[in-house]
Amino acid sequence: GAGVSQSPSNKVTEKGKDVELRCDPISGHTALYWYRQSLGQGLEFLIYFQGNSAPDKSGLPSDRFSAERTGGSVSTLTIQRTQQEDSAVYLCASSLNRNTIYFGEGSWLTVV
Amino acid sequence: GESVGLHLPTLSVQEGDNSIINCAYSNSASDYFIWYKQESGKGPQFIIDIRSNMDKRQGQRVTVLLNKTVKHLSLQIAATQPGDSAVYFCAEFSGTYKYIFGTGTRLKVLA
Repeated sequence: GAGVSQSPSNKVTEKGKDVELRCDPISGHTALYWYRQSLGQGLEFLIYFQGNSAPDKSGLPSDRFSAERTGGSVSTLTIQRTQQEDSAVYLCASSLNRNTIYFGEGSWLTVV
Repeated sequence: GESVGLHLPTLSVQEGDNSIINCAYSNSASDYFIWYKQESGKGPQFIIDIRSNMDKRQGQRVTVLLNKTVKHLSLQIAATQPGDSAVYFCAEFSGTYKYIFGTGTRLKVLA
């Protein structure tokens, strides 16, 4: 696609429910990143994919968070048993090796 | 690791004036730098980049300056417009996969 596409753009969920956030990177980009941004704050690194493998999962806040990438393209970030502190914007970005990373518009998650 | 700040510094500039936004980066081995603009409710948008073998790079109305001696990066916006109001943050890249992002500066353009 022309840019990084994320869905859903907005999600309101009840505490305790699971959510899945999807990222479709720019075609051909081998690297894919997930970041979290809470209101008025900077970017918090979550996970990095190179192809389908995730060499660095160190930013995932807890074992309720997981992510996968299939076919070297689409990635899904899953949050199980959501908590109110999970409310944030989840940003996906992709890049083509040591070059600029381009961000999607984010998935705005609200846990009520 | 990435720093997170609760209260972003704010720069208020009169419309038509030039803006200068500063960023101190952390790793002297970083060799690639990017400035992003983030408008309210949107994802970060690439503005301009610079590699460490350069001191200055110009785009349309924007200029990035890199001072490796003091690990400082600045973004200059000429003739600031209301549409420039946003949060601006820098990113550094040191050759591994990981980008480090600054906390950001909020630019307010006064009419």
